[in-house]
Amino acid sequence: AQSVTQLGSHVSVSEGALVLLRCNYSSSVPPYLFWYVQYPNQGLQLLLKYTTGATLVKGINGFEAEFKKSETSFHLTKPSAHMSDAAEYFCAVSTNNAGNMLTFGGGTRLMVKP
Amino acid sequence: GAVVSQHPSWVICKSGTSVKIECRSLDFQATTMFWYRQFPKQSLMLMATSNEGSKATYEQGVEKDKFLINHASLTLSTLTVTSAHPEDSSFYICSAPPGDRGWSYTFGSGTRLTVV
Repeated sequence: AQSVTQLGSHVSVSEGALVLLRCNYSSSVPPYLFWYVQYPNQGLQLLLKYTTGATLVKGINGFEAEFKKSETSFHLTKPSAHMSDAAEYFCAVSTNNAGNMLTFGGGTRLMVKP
Repeated sequence: GAVVSQHPSWVICKSGTSVKIECRSLDFQATTMFWYRQFPKQSLMLMATSNEGSKATYEQGVEKDKFLINHASLTLSTLTVTSAHPEDSSFYICSAPPGDRGWSYTFGSGTRLTVV
């Protein structure tokens, strides 16, 4: 079984400030971890993913995340927030099975203040 | 890259009618398709998994007779919401799991269903 917990359903930052969105996972086998962004009434866009190898993963739009096995975490960060980053962000986990489903966290709505 | 085309993008229907949502894999074959439902301001919850050539697998609490899923071919999976009620109003998204495309899930663009 696998699960994802995103701490903070809403996060508000000022434009130019650091963005930190928290994600903790639970998995009985080595996880594959994903961050997606969703804009209103749209599908999901992949920001980045961790499968194997380097634990610091860089994604699109300046986002990155670090897989920390000891903390079972995969927090998403961005050094400087832009207004266009305001959206819903989902952390998701899957396992080493290409046919396995994605399990999503509850989502975090990021608001960026001017 | 791999694309899943989902139609319609939005639909409004009357209570008691049925609505069909299609997801087509345009440049790859999808033997499996996941169907998710997302209520406003909530996360995506897996409803069912469709498999080409066999019956769909439904998650606990999802009515099989209400949400009919068919995986007619390696490129087409459909979800039919039968006898729709206002509480079925939601955002429905399909997703093809990784296969030969590396560890990438391919999502449809979603369907906003409003039942009035």
